[in-house]
Amino acid sequence: DTGVSQDPRHKITKRGQNVTFRCDPISEHNRLYWYRQTLGQGPEFLTYFQNEAQLEKSRLLSDRFSAERPKGSFSTLEIQRTEQGDSAMYLCASSLYGDRSSTDTQYFGPGTRLTVL
Amino acid sequence: RKEVEQDPGPFNVPEGATVAFNCTYSNSASQSFFWYRQDCRKEPKLLMSVYSSGNEDGRFTAQLNRASQYISLLIRDSKLSDSATYLCVVKGGTSYGKLTFGQGTILTVHP
Repeated sequence: DTGVSQDPRHKITKRGQNVTFRCDPISEHNRLYWYRQTLGQGPEFLTYFQNEAQLEKSRLLSDRFSAERPKGSFSTLEIQRTEQGDSAMYLCASSLYGDRSSTDTQYFGPGTRLTVL
Repeated sequence: RKEVEQDPGPFNVPEGATVAFNCTYSNSASQSFFWYRQDCRKEPKLLMSVYSSGNEDGRFTAQLNRASQYISLLIRDSKLSDSATYLCVVKGGTSYGKLTFGQGTILTVHP
């Protein structure tokens, strides 16, 4: 399978714990995005990278959230001191930007479902 | 006001019916427009891009009215497999990377 992959698929944690999620984009894609989705809502943008550079962060991304893409390939999203309100599906997407043959379409991974008890 | 607004439904239609979804967006500088489909507990998948001239893909027709900031999706001859949440999505304006999603419209097609 050459699509976007995310790990873990499910995470249950206690309030106050730190969690880290991983996203592996489609191999030739230079952009990688993180979104969060709660029940009954559409995904909300959190942040995105072009190669290793973090180009934009949403105001939703509090200082407890940090994302990295150190080598321009996979990315991690860490949430420190989790709160019950962090319970959501965390979606990663990737796209190929700047290539004349590309439409910069964002392809999503299966998501990591976080439950904070 | 939300940047992208959709009627959440749910829409319950019989097989073979024609159903239309509408969406409005608030940022007039938005540049690209899409419909994504999301099955229950799955990731969103691109259904189709939306162009000002209107575009069709089989049973699906999308329209964009930039003046009214309005996007539509028409599904003809509905199939049971069309049951899903349909997400209206815009890109551009204040950001050139992120997608802004509507709440989604739930469609259930019944026999």
